[in-house]
Amino acid sequence: GENVEQHPSTLSVQEGDSAVIKCTYSDSASNYFPWYKQELGKGPQLIIDIRSNVGEKKDQRIAVTLNKTAKHFSLHITETQPEDSAVYFCAASKGTGNQFYFGTGTSLTVIP
Amino acid sequence: DTEVTQTPKHLVMGMTNKKSLKCEQHMGHRAMYWYKQKAKKPPELMFVYSYEKLSINESVPSRFSPECPNSSLLNLHLHALQPEDSALYLCASSQEGRGLRVEYFGPGTRLTVT
Repeated sequence: GENVEQHPSTLSVQEGDSAVIKCTYSDSASNYFPWYKQELGKGPQLIIDIRSNVGEKKDQRIAVTLNKTAKHFSLHITETQPEDSAVYFCAASKGTGNQFYFGTGTSLTVIP
Repeated sequence: DTEVTQTPKHLVMGMTNKKSLKCEQHMGHRAMYWYKQKAKKPPELMFVYSYEKLSINESVPSRFSPECPNSSLLNLHLHALQPEDSALYLCASSQEGRGLRVEYFGPGTRLTVT
């Protein structure tokens, strides 16, 4: 089956700095890579996703890059704000009818 | 609107109780899921319903019993739980198209078994 590794497990940055979270996956058939943000006491919220036919996707301060050859994808958050503090999970999936495989999570703290 | 709702928000139950968790979505999604999440861990898949039929059961103990009355509703019936079953129970639904599955989570039910 698929194995998704996520690093780092914790990350602290100063407000205004950038944060990068990296994930690797093992199954080359995986074709969909979502990122979820989970705030304390809440369910995971889909913040951005990327498909295997795209190398990069950006949405305001958030971007995701995918390197299919190396089997890794990354989340980039620029100009971080205290409200970005949360646990972030990456996931990989082979698409319709297949389950998500989640990374172990990154606890991001943005220091004001 | 990408909203999945879950009730109750919190639940405390004894090991001999029977209770149910409820989940609802009105996005027209035809697949719905139950996940269990322990603190500081990723969600773990429990059940998948696709077109109101159970399609995946990840070897979950029989004290958890899912039910999908219709395409918008998903229940999880709980009976004779153990303290180690205390966790956040998440419902999700997915939109599938062009070979992909985009999954949306509800806020979860925080379950404590005493």
